[in-house]
Amino acid sequence: DTGVSQDPRHKITKRGQNVTFRCDPISEHNRLYWYRQTLGQGPEFLTYFQNEAQLEKSRLLSDRFSAERPKGSFSTLEIQRTEQGDSAMYLCASSLFEGLAGSYNEQFFGPGTRLTVL
Amino acid sequence: DAKTTQPPSMDCAEGRAANLPCNHSTISGNEYVYWYRQIHSQGPQYIIHGLKNNETNEMASLIITEDRKSSTLILPHATLRDTAVYYCIAYNAGNMLTFGGGTRLMVKP
Repeated sequence: DTGVSQDPRHKITKRGQNVTFRCDPISEHNRLYWYRQTLGQGPEFLTYFQNEAQLEKSRLLSDRFSAERPKGSFSTLEIQRTEQGDSAMYLCASSLFEGLAGSYNEQFFGPGTRLTVL
Repeated sequence: DAKTTQPPSMDCAEGRAANLPCNHSTISGNEYVYWYRQIHSQGPQYIIHGLKNNETNEMASLIITEDRKSSTLILPHATLRDTAVYYCIAYNAGNMLTFGGGTRLMVKP
């Protein structure tokens, strides 16, 4: 399967613990995005990378959240000192960005990691 | 990205065409209209996109009004597997996707 993969698919943790999620994008895609989705809402943007550079971060990304894409391939999203409000589906997407003139920049999403903080 | 407005829910009979409207009256000239859908507990799935012209692919057709202030996604023969939340997004290709509430489409037998 050559789609976006995420690991783990489900994570249950206790409040105050740290968690880390991994995303493997489609291999030739240079952009990687993280979104968060709470129950009944649409996904909300968190951050994105172009290759290894983190280009934008949402205000939703508090100091407890950190994302990396060290080699421009896979990415990790870490949440420190988890809170019950962090319970959500964390979605990763990737795209091939070839400049603003290209319209074919659709983002392909992974299956998500569902986080439950007890 | 421009804000989009969609009805919160719609029903459609299996085998009939599903027509999902979207209003994007503040869309700018360089923003495309993208449609995604999300089946329960899965990641969003790209459906189709367009700028000015109507578009068709194996999944759906996209009709964009001449003034680009609204569009309609058409699923020509809806099946039960098309039951999902459908998101219309005015997207400046390259930036993040801004999802609204979407339309929850229920296809009924």
